[in-house]
Amino acid sequence: QSALTQPASVSGSPGQTITISCTGTSSDVGGYNYVSWYQQHPGKVPKLMISGVNKRPSGVSNRFSGSKSGNTASLTISGLQAEDEADYYCGSHTSADTYVFGGGTKVTVL
Amino acid sequence: QITLKESGPTLVKPTQTLTLSCSFSGFSLRTKGETVGWIRQPPGKALEWLALIFWDDNKYYSPSLKSRLTITKDTSKNLVFLTMINMDPVDTATYYCAHFVRVVGSSRYFDSWGQGTLVTVSS
Repeated sequence: QSALTQPASVSGSPGQTITISCTGTSSDVGGYNYVSWYQQHPGKVPKLMISGVNKRPSGVSNRFSGSKSGNTASLTISGLQAEDEADYYCGSHTSADTYVFGGGTKVTVL
Repeated sequence: QITLKESGPTLVKPTQTLTLSCSFSGFSLRTKGETVGWIRQPPGKALEWLALIFWDDNKYYSPSLKSRLTITKDTSKNLVFLTMINMDPVDTATYYCAHFVRVVGSSRYFDSWGQGTLVTVSS
């Protein structure tokens, strides 16, 4: 299985809205509504931000939202804040009952 | 509250076998549906999923590493183990264990992670 494809970096100014894409295949992203998103600050443990394409765990800001179209999932961060600067990874269940992560996207707040 | 903690050697030599332990609390692998996974992250690089073990002892591995990995559990002690044979310097990474949520027809994701343990492969 290949890693899901994410842009290496995305940037935005405070208050702006940014979107991170995550492209897979019909055997993973496109085949199931099981895409999740994780935030990782430098030196820290990954934190679940979105599960099941668009479900926010308790405690995660509603500025974070997820969606999916075909083989591409997206994470949108609205009202960008300095604390959102981090690496973001998508992940998905696969048809082989395995799991796969994306290559990660570095979000920079300008 | 679910907590997990990894332990094991911080330094292994090339060709050696690595065995990591994951001690967890807040759930039991005797309970139907419960699952633990291993993920690693080389310094400065992306997350890479390695393996999953289910309450019923079903196991799934990364296709690219399947020949080198073994995941096992000690249900009575709330422990999960990961063994990786034939270690190489490219296997230098932080290794995480994590609680995996599997809701039939709804979700698959890692909701709680251990702090991670850095394993360096060097002679």
